[in-house]
Amino acid sequence: DIQLTQSPSFLSASVGDRVTITCRASQGISSSLAWYQQKPGMAPKLLIYAASTLQSGVPSRFSGSGSGTEFTLTISSLQPEDFAAYYCEQFNTYPSTFGQGTKVEIK
Amino acid sequence: QVQLVQSGTEVKEPGASVKVSCKASGYTFTANYIHWVRQAPGQGPEWMGWMSSNSGGTFYAQKFQGRVSMTRDTSIGTAYMEMSGLRSDDTAVYYCARGSGSDNWRRLDYWGQGTLVTVSS
Repeated sequence: DIQLTQSPSFLSASVGDRVTITCRASQGISSSLAWYQQKPGMAPKLLIYAASTLQSGVPSRFSGSGSGTEFTLTISSLQPEDFAAYYCEQFNTYPSTFGQGTKVEIK
Repeated sequence: QVQLVQSGTEVKEPGASVKVSCKASGYTFTANYIHWVRQAPGQGPEWMGWMSSNSGGTFYAQKFQGRVSMTRDTSIGTAYMEMSGLRSDDTAVYYCARGSGSDNWRRLDYWGQGTLVTVSS
């Protein structure tokens, strides 16, 4: 199975900060990667797919990049509603797999 | 609008089976796959498998093969996930999610609200 490793696991930031989360794949996955945001007690919400395509309705402060084995999710200016956990997921090869997550908390 | 509505909380004893339903609305049910993902307390999501809502074909993660079954009733636009031989480490929130796209554009774009399954004696 393809392993996804996210870094950092935990991030403390302030409103307005630029935040970058990295997801590394154990083997090349082309651009078959999605990013999700999850708030406590809620289902994950799709933010980005195909590594860099913004899901409809998602604010433009979210962006994704990368291909092959290294990917990033960037939040250009952190807003209060962005404090949550973020997960990457690969679809290049089944079984699909998720990263272990990055929790973004208020500094 | 697309919605996936799941059945309610379940409490099961070890060794029992559980069947979770996922009713889809707001789109043509047979046009998309349904995926199942679970999340144990304090852990990240874990992908379990997918089902073609059209053909009924399935693909399960090896970890769940032999214990999980994904089915559907197209007449009522509902998908089901049944797991047998429950153990305490199967305690988790179980989500259904709609699969969209193909190749590099695959993603889970709509999710159910989740069903908590607790396995305890």
